[in-house]
Amino acid sequence: NAGVTQTPKFRILKIGQSMTLQCAQDMNHNYMYWYRQDPGMGLKLIYYSVGAGITDKGEVPNGYNVSRSTTEDFPLRLELAAPSQTSVYFCASSYSKRSRGQFFGPGTRLTVL
Amino acid sequence: DQQVKQNSPSLSVQEGRISILNCDYTNSMFDYFLWYKKYPAEGPTFLISISSIKDKNEDGRFTVFLNKSAKHLSLHIVPSQPGDSAVYFCAASEGDGGSQGNLIFGKGTKLSVKP
Repeated sequence: NAGVTQTPKFRILKIGQSMTLQCAQDMNHNYMYWYRQDPGMGLKLIYYSVGAGITDKGEVPNGYNVSRSTTEDFPLRLELAAPSQTSVYFCASSYSKRSRGQFFGPGTRLTVL
Repeated sequence: DQQVKQNSPSLSVQEGRISILNCDYTNSMFDYFLWYKKYPAEGPTFLISISSIKDKNEDGRFTVFLNKSAKHLSLHIVPSQPGDSAVYFCAASEGDGGSQGNLIFGKGTKLSVKP
């Protein structure tokens, strides 16, 4: 049982480039989340999904897109990367909102230069 | 506008003593509170939670206290161990409907437990 996995672990992008951060979970969780953590700050919700085919915006969605075609996978797409998107990105999952104890992946450290 | 505040960026405690981490919130609609622990280069891990219908929840060395009138919660770790050294995040949510139930995180408190 791998839990929540994220790839890549590190990435450096140039301004204007695009990339997809991968997230997968093998716990059959319905709910999946993407957060970003800036230095010295708490985690902020970018997007979340309550099940395959259903996604919704969180607190800081601008500059990102997501899709949820399967229960297991929840990729995060960055279009036209900007320095303000330099951050550590965490994917998380939970069985339901009521469980509220979310399981987090190890994170992807992204630098945009 | 921070809805969840952890005003102490860091805390240093001697091994074996009590660690008390504090968290304040402003949204009176929050009904569920959680503490997460995070080691460097890892994702946060769930530690303990408390519902607003309770004022205390205990799990081994970890106890969370909730004071709704003061909009304040605290995490007590007794006795503190060097392996407890990590960043601790307080998080809150305000119910399950729609976007509610999503977690709002504080900025974290870095706990250092010295041998």
